[in-house]
Amino acid sequence: DIVMTQSPLSLPVTPGEPASISCRSSQSLLHSNGHNYLDWYLQKPGQSPQLLIYLGSNRASGVPDRFSGSGSGTDFTLKISRVEAEDVGVYYCRQVRQDPPTFGPGTKVNIK
Amino acid sequence: EVQLLESGGGLVQPGGSLRLSCAASGFTFSSYAMNWVRQAPGKGLEWVSTISGSGSHTYNADSVKGRFTISRDNSKNTLYLQMNSLRADDTAVYYCAKDFPGSGSYYTVDFWGQGTLVTVSS
Repeated sequence: DIVMTQSPLSLPVTPGEPASISCRSSQSLLHSNGHNYLDWYLQKPGQSPQLLIYLGSNRASGVPDRFSGSGSGTDFTLKISRVEAEDVGVYYCRQVRQDPPTFGPGTKVNIK
Repeated sequence: EVQLLESGGGLVQPGGSLRLSCAASGFTFSSYAMNWVRQAPGKGLEWVSTISGSGSHTYNADSVKGRFTISRDNSKNTLYLQMNSLRADDTAVYYCAKDFPGSGSYYTVDFWGQGTLVTVSS
C-alpha cells in the first residue's frame, strides 16, 4: 500500500497570514497521463470532510481561490494564501493513484 | 441539491452484524460510483468500500474483505453496507460519499453524508 505522510501534524496559524501543509507519498502518484492522483480534504470541527483539491492542483467547485495545491510525483503542498478563521480543521491528503486509496494522518490547523 | 443520509448505525456486540443504508437524492444516483469511508473516534479517515454506478464492480479494503459487502439499489437510490463478523476496531462513524467523476478516479469524492456511528462492544 502507498503510505502517505503529512507535516506538520499541528499548525497554529494567524488570520491573514499564509499557511502551508506538506504531503508525501511512498510511491509516485504521477500517472502516465500526466495527472497526479492526489486529493486534499478539509474536515471542519463537527462536520463531514469536504473536497478541496483533486488531481494535485485543481480546486473543487466552490473552494475559495486562497487554497492552492501543487507538487508532483511524491511531494505535494497545500497552501492557503491568507488564512481565515473558517479554515480551521483537519486537512487530509489522499492518494487515489493505486488501490487501496490511502489518506495521510491529517494536519490539524487552529488559530493561534 | 445533493443529499446523502446514512442510517442503520448503533451498538452491536462483537461478532454481530449490521446493515448501513445511505439514501441519496439530488443527482442521478446510478451514474455515480459510491464509497463508504469510516473514521474511528478521534482518528483519521479510512476508506472502506467502493461500488461502481451499475453495481457490477466493487472494491474493498483488506481490513473488511470477507466481512463487509457493499451494494446498491439504483431503483431506490440507496447504497448499502452489510457488515458481518464485527470487531471492536470496526467502531467508527461511517460516511457514504459520492464519486467526483472529474478526477478520473472512483475514489475521489465530492459529497459526504453526515455519517452514522457504529459501536462494536460487549
